Amino acid sequence: ELKVEQNPLFLSMQEGKNYTIYCNYSTTSDRLYWYRQDPGKSLESLFVLLSNGAVKQEGRLMASLDTKARLSTLHITAAVHDLSATYFCAVERGAQKLVFGQGTRLTINP
Amino acid sequence: ETGVTQSPTHLIKTRGQQVTLRCSSQSGHNTVSWYQQALGQGPQFIFQYYREEENGRGNFPPRFSGLQFPNYSSELNVNALELDDSALYLCATTGGRHTDTQYFGPGTRLTVL
Repeated sequence: ELKVEQNPLFLSMQEGKNYTIYCNYSTTSDRLYWYRQDPGKSLESLFVLLSNGAVKQEGRLMASLDTKARLSTLHITAAVHDLSATYFCAVERGAQKLVFGQGTRLTINP
Repeated sequence: ETGVTQSPTHLIKTRGQQVTLRCSSQSGHNTVSWYQQALGQGPQFIFQYYREEENGRGNFPPRFSGLQFPNYSSELNVNALELDDSALYLCATTGGRHTDTQYFGPGTRLTVL
């Protein structure tokens, strides 16, 4: 059974600091997704990582994938308050069927 | 804007009742997946439809059923509602030009009393 674990589950940080969210998964998969969710809202797609060594960046967020280690990271650079949200990683277990992690609730304080 | 819409936005039902949730997507999005997200949890895969046929199912009982229609809309039906069915129900579609990305709808918040 595919399991996806994120850590930390809760993260409170100051504006301007850097931090990394980790996503580990238990069985082989070639696709990993990162989503953002604001309170009471749906999921916003951030990144789709399709191969080993893939790295994608958008603004202050950068995601990477190591399929051999079964690990993805979401790195936040010089955090700003607008990035406060819950971040989910999800691993594909076959044809667009996603298994999600528990989510990392990120709070960025001024 | 993902081009995926869901209705209704909110719904309150009582235990034992039946509910139908709806999802509409862009033309060409021939794959639709449904997820259940309990409060404070990650979404859990319920099932997927591809070209109007069920194409995979998660660990949900048969009282969760679905349909997909030729116009790319979809329904999720839940019979004999239980209190634990209270959750945000999300549909996600793929297809068209961007087949690597699942586009999620805004969700339906179901409360079972």
